[in-house]
Amino acid sequence: KAGVTQTPRYLIKTRGQQVTLSCSPISGHRSVSWYQQTPGQGLQFLFEYFSETQRNKGNFPGRFSGRQFSNSRSEMNVSTLELGDSALYLCASSLAVGANTDTQYFGPGTRLTVL
Amino acid sequence: GDSVTQMEGPVTLSEEAFLTINCTYTATGYPSLFWYVQYPGEGLQLLLKATKADDKGSNKGFEATYRKETTSFHLEKGSVQVSDSAVYFCALSDHGSSNTGKLIFGQGTTLQVKP
Repeated sequence: KAGVTQTPRYLIKTRGQQVTLSCSPISGHRSVSWYQQTPGQGLQFLFEYFSETQRNKGNFPGRFSGRQFSNSRSEMNVSTLELGDSALYLCASSLAVGANTDTQYFGPGTRLTVL
Repeated sequence: GDSVTQMEGPVTLSEEAFLTINCTYTATGYPSLFWYVQYPGEGLQLLLKATKADDKGSNKGFEATYRKETTSFHLEKGSVQVSDSAVYFCALSDHGSSNTGKLIFGQGTTLQVKP
């Protein structure tokens, strides 16, 4: 079974631009979560989606948004990029939410560099 | 709020040495506990998990036991190899209290194994 895929793998943008990252979950998984990884802050939770509904949101500004489609694929968008948005963005999928179904499997990440 | 604390790294060991990476947690509900591993330039791979007190997760020679009385989930391996060199993350998912799969991560511990 194919794993979680993320596109693109690498992205270079300049301040003020916006970016869209894509995530395809493992087949049959209905929950998708996004995390930001930086050397200073570590791994921080961005969003969680289940059946096209945002279930949970981390403590990030409104410039960060996301959505999930009916086929469970997800996108996240960052508008008005800042230098501090440079990070590895990781997507994870799980069967559902709740005990014994919430094990998250991660994709390889999208490395975003903001110049 | 919920939190995870890991021992400071880096940890440097010789091949075939015994490994312990300490992890303690704070949670209001009944969390599932996880260890993930990240190799350079890659996403996170699930190493093992435990969903209730006294459960032991194991995989590839690594083990960790869910200790509710000491709120700990220490990672151990009897004989490390050079190929185990990576960053290890302890995480919890407190789905019981908030019905979310959101993962809360420790800061990560870098393991370097020398031949």
